Amino acid sequence: GAVVSQHPSWVICKSGTSVKIECRSLDFQATTMFWYRQFPKQSLMLMATSNEGSKATYEQGVEKDKFLINHASLTLSTLTVTSAHPEDSSFYICSGRDLGSSYNEQFFGPGTRLTVL
Amino acid sequence: GQNIDQPTEMTATEGAIVQINCTYQTSGFNGLFWYQQHAGEAPTFLSYNVLDGLEEKGRFSSFLSRSKGYSYLLLKELQMKDSASYLCAALDSNYQLIWGAGTKLIIKP
Repeated sequence: GAVVSQHPSWVICKSGTSVKIECRSLDFQATTMFWYRQFPKQSLMLMATSNEGSKATYEQGVEKDKFLINHASLTLSTLTVTSAHPEDSSFYICSGRDLGSSYNEQFFGPGTRLTVL
Repeated sequence: GQNIDQPTEMTATEGAIVQINCTYQTSGFNGLFWYQQHAGEAPTFLSYNVLDGLEEKGRFSSFLSRSKGYSYLLLKELQMKDSASYLCAALDSNYQLIWGAGTKLIIKP
């Protein structure tokens, strides 16, 4: 299957700082990338859908000014958590959709564990 | 509204068979996925069904009934490494994945 990488794998930061997470599709072009958040023992929660070259579409309840998403190329999307607070501590996972896949499948990155102190 | 239901937790014995059920209600339907997720890791793809019937892939099989809005994942010859959460997700008319809360499968020796 197609490969998606995320960087960093884990990050610890102080409250009030900003953190950038990168999501890269390594062997396919992802015209659409998805950002999810997962709290312990809960399912994936879609935060936003980003299409290359256009503004991201945020799910209800997700602050677009706090979670800045940039999808500047077909292989890279970034999520910046601005002014992070302890309640933002979570597992952030990105995925890319490969339109060449017969399943319209989403390929997931390994996730980024964010801890805000 | 859109909704996916699956059991919260199931327990099975090593070497046995277990069936994890999933019912869905979505705005349009473009297929159903099953993913496996180990603790602290991202989900990995297991199966995709868009037509009615059973798809078999090694020890894992997935079934879909579109008329009933129902799917199941069947795991045979259970191994300890199969202990994980199993996520059911339906693709709606906008090709958005609607996720279930996941079923935590506990395998006992």
